[in-house]
Amino acid sequence: GENVEQHPSTLSVQEGDSAVIKCTYSDSASNYFPWYKQELGKRPQLIIDIRSNVGEKKDQRIAVTLNKTAKHFSLHITETQPEDSAVYFCAASIQDTGRRALTFGSGTRLQVQP
Amino acid sequence: DGGITQSPKYLFRKEGQNVTLSCEQNLNHDAMYWYRQDPGQGLRLIYYSQIVNDFQKGDIAEGYSVSREKKESFPLTVTSAQKNPTAFYLCASTGGNTIYFGEGSWLTVV
Repeated sequence: GENVEQHPSTLSVQEGDSAVIKCTYSDSASNYFPWYKQELGKRPQLIIDIRSNVGEKKDQRIAVTLNKTAKHFSLHITETQPEDSAVYFCAASIQDTGRRALTFGSGTRLQVQP
Repeated sequence: DGGITQSPKYLFRKEGQNVTLSCEQNLNHDAMYWYRQDPGQGLRLIYYSQIVNDFQKGDIAEGYSVSREKKESFPLTVTSAQKNPTAFYLCASTGGNTIYFGEGSWLTVV
C-alpha cells in the first residue's frame, strides 16, 4: 500500500519568515495530495490540495508543489503568523477508483515565534 | 464539515468492554471512513466503506468492527480485542475528492 513520509517533525520559525514542509510518497498511482492543518484536540482542516496533473498551486500565503517523477510534494507558507502555529499533515490517495482513502504523513508541528 | 456528526465526544471504556462510536452524515456522501489518531501521531485508517452494505479493512482494523446499513451512518465498535484503544477517533466522508471530517471522539480506557 501507500506510504507517506513527512519531514520535519517539528519546525520553529520567526514571524514573517517562510516555512517549508516536505513529503514523499511511495505509490506512483497516487494522484491527489491534500494538506491539512490541525489544532490541538480538533479535526483536521483542509488548507490546500493538488492533483497530479498540476505542478504547483497557490492560495494567498500558501503554496504546494508536486514533483511526480521524484514522488514528493511540499507545502510552502510565506509571511508566517502566530496563528499559523499548528500541526500540518500531508496525505496522498488514488482518486476516482479503488480505495480513495487518504494515507497521512506523521505530521509537522509548526511553531511561529512572535 | 458541519454535516458529519460524531458522538459521544468523550467516552470512557473499562477493560473488556465493547463500545460503539456513532458517525452520521447528511452530505449524501457515498464513501465514509474511520481514522485513529494517537497523541503526536498521524491518522491511520481503520475501516472504510464506499457504498451501503459494503466495507473494507484499512491498515489497522484488528479489534474493530463496523457496519453500513444506511448511507448516512457508519458506526465503529471498539471491541475488547483492541488492546490499546485509547486514542482520538475521526470519522470522515467524501462525495468526490475532498474529505470532510467529523469533530472526533476521544476514547479512554479506565
